[in-house]
Amino acid sequence: DAKTTQPTSMDCAEGRAANLPCNHSTISGNEYVYWYRQIHSQGPQYIIHGLKNNETNEMASLIITEDRKSSTLILPHATLRDTAVYYCIAISGNTPLVFGKGTRLSVIA
Amino acid sequence: DGGITQSPKYLFRKEGQNVTLSCEQNLNHDAMYWYRQDPGQGLRLIYYSQIVNDFQKGDIAEGYSVSREKKESFPLTVTSAQKNPTAFYLCASTSHRAPVNIQYFGAGTRLSVL
Repeated sequence: DAKTTQPTSMDCAEGRAANLPCNHSTISGNEYVYWYRQIHSQGPQYIIHGLKNNETNEMASLIITEDRKSSTLILPHATLRDTAVYYCIAISGNTPLVFGKGTRLSVIA
Repeated sequence: DGGITQSPKYLFRKEGQNVTLSCEQNLNHDAMYWYRQDPGQGLRLIYYSQIVNDFQKGDIAEGYSVSREKKESFPLTVTSAQKNPTAFYLCASTSHRAPVNIQYFGAGTRLSVL
């Protein structure tokens, strides 16, 4: 599993885009990048995943650099309910997920 | 509704007691996982099972035991050998047939020692 590095914490103004970076410089060709978030005292929630191409769904966008060594999760219009810890994970196949400490995002009114 | 159900939400353990945490899923997922989360920390893998009647140890399996007799169920027993069991326990499942590993989590069980 590729090691991922994320900032410990970030702030974002409500209504603005939240851009959460993740470094995964040792990622291998068959490893996907996954993003999950965990709101306080709840189970983690899947957000989005990608391999090479940028991806978008109803929750967020995922931008992966061409060399695949880093990615950015974008929440286009952050709300107070997006305050959570965000985890970036890089794994292949059915390997169990490895959660680091993630980035604590605080959305401020 | 489809999903993962963990029970109880809160559990208290006395010294020397074994306790069992329940995890049930109706998503027809093949693989199931147990994680432990301590305050301010990420999730750590305790055990996982990719098929009925088979399971593997994760990073912190000591003091825990599991069984997988049915596809839908993956109970976790916290034994008296686990000296520091106070934590938030999370169960997850994923479809083994998927090309990607999207895990779906339950709401968790918070275990405390009396």
